[in-house]
Amino acid sequence: DAGVTQSPTHLIKTRGQHVTLRCSPISGHKSVSWYQQVLGQGPQFIFQYYEKEERGRGNFPDRFSARQFPNYSSELNVNALLLGDSALYLCASSPEGQGPYNEQFFGPGTRLTVL
Amino acid sequence: SQQGEEDPQALSIQEGENATMNCSYKTSINNLQWYRQNSGRGLVHLILIRSNEREKHSGRLRVTLDTSKKSSSLLITASRAADTASYFCATDNQAGTALIFGKGTTLSVSS
Repeated sequence: DAGVTQSPTHLIKTRGQHVTLRCSPISGHKSVSWYQQVLGQGPQFIFQYYEKEERGRGNFPDRFSARQFPNYSSELNVNALLLGDSALYLCASSPEGQGPYNEQFFGPGTRLTVL
Repeated sequence: SQQGEEDPQALSIQEGENATMNCSYKTSINNLQWYRQNSGRGLVHLILIRSNEREKHSGRLRVTLDTSKKSSSLLITASRAADTASYFCATDNQAGTALIFGKGTTLSVSS
């Protein structure tokens, strides 16, 4: 079975631009979560979606938004990019939707660089 | 904010030695998980221990959990060069909607 896939692998943007990151969960997984990992830090939670509904939101500004599609894939959008948005963006899926009490399956990440 | 804090931040050992990493957290948990990350790529789940468990084994991994001290440890026995990676502990937030990670321990195993 294919694992969690993310696209693109790398991305370079300039300040003020908009970016869309994509994630396809493992087949059968209905929950998708997004995390931001700044160099040298652990991942920080951004959003969780389950059955196309937002179930959780981390402490990120409104410039960050996401959605989940009927096929359970997901997009993370970031507007008005800042230098500080440069990070590895990780997507994780799991079969359950009532919280990440169980194993999360992570994708390889999208490395975003903002110049 | 980060729930878990790993200790030490960095650890260098020789192949064949054991590696022990510790994690402390602040609030009550349902479970605690350990993940590995190679070279800034995606995280790989290693082991999950529930709050009513005290010890769990998986291959060369042993995890302990002490809820009274709000701490956990990960022991990797007979380390190999391939174990070189960053290791993170993660707990669920109180709403049960997210994993909260520590800053990680960077393990370097030399041959």
